[in-house]
Amino acid sequence: SQQGEEDPQALSIQEGENATMNCSYKTSINNLQWYRQNSGRGLVHLILIRSNEREKHSGRLRVTLDTSKKSSSLLITASRAADTASYFCATGVMMDSSYKLIFGSGTRLLVRP
Amino acid sequence: GAGVSQSPRYKVAKRGQDVALRCDPISGHVSLFWYQQALGQGPEFLTYFQNEAQLDKSGLPSDRFFAERPEGSVSTLKIQRTQQEDSAVYLCASSFRTVSEQFFGPGTRLTVL
Repeated sequence: SQQGEEDPQALSIQEGENATMNCSYKTSINNLQWYRQNSGRGLVHLILIRSNEREKHSGRLRVTLDTSKKSSSLLITASRAADTASYFCATGVMMDSSYKLIFGSGTRLLVRP
Repeated sequence: GAGVSQSPRYKVAKRGQDVALRCDPISGHVSLFWYQQALGQGPEFLTYFQNEAQLDKSGLPSDRFFAERPEGSVSTLKIQRTQQEDSAVYLCASSFRTVSEQFFGPGTRLTVL
């Protein structure tokens, strides 16, 4: 079962524009992570934000986290054609002695040159 | 250093065959995770190891699925009597600490005919 809902499911923008993807989740989390996946390839870790953090930046990426609304957003500024990929949010959930990432269904981003 | 590696990259099995999928995590990473990713979906958690101890196997779909990590490094996911519904990409990830970012391998694409 997947915890996260991502919005939109697909996004098409022009190179140079900003892309915003949203993620909502249901349970308490330890952290939230964003991953990128190019077609047929493995997942690449982009950024991790802890549950006590509200905003984090890494290069052209900006992530926000609102634990009261159980939601997060990923902003990619000045997009490039190479940013074309699927983007997944994943909530890090600690339970008993276990820990797991629960992924959303992803946003497919197309950046047109 | 090298990232997470998985083998084989592609596996075609006839229904009823047993398969074994291998994961070599990043050296020194304590935690190891297996995920299953269906086409067009986000990965779903299967099982989690901390060193050689399997702390959570709640995501394994049935008792035909078995995972081990006997020496706390390399892990093997075994699927017995494969069924068509087992067709998916199986991803392995490792992390230095339990709740830190996970680094994913390229995955094994399993097709059951």
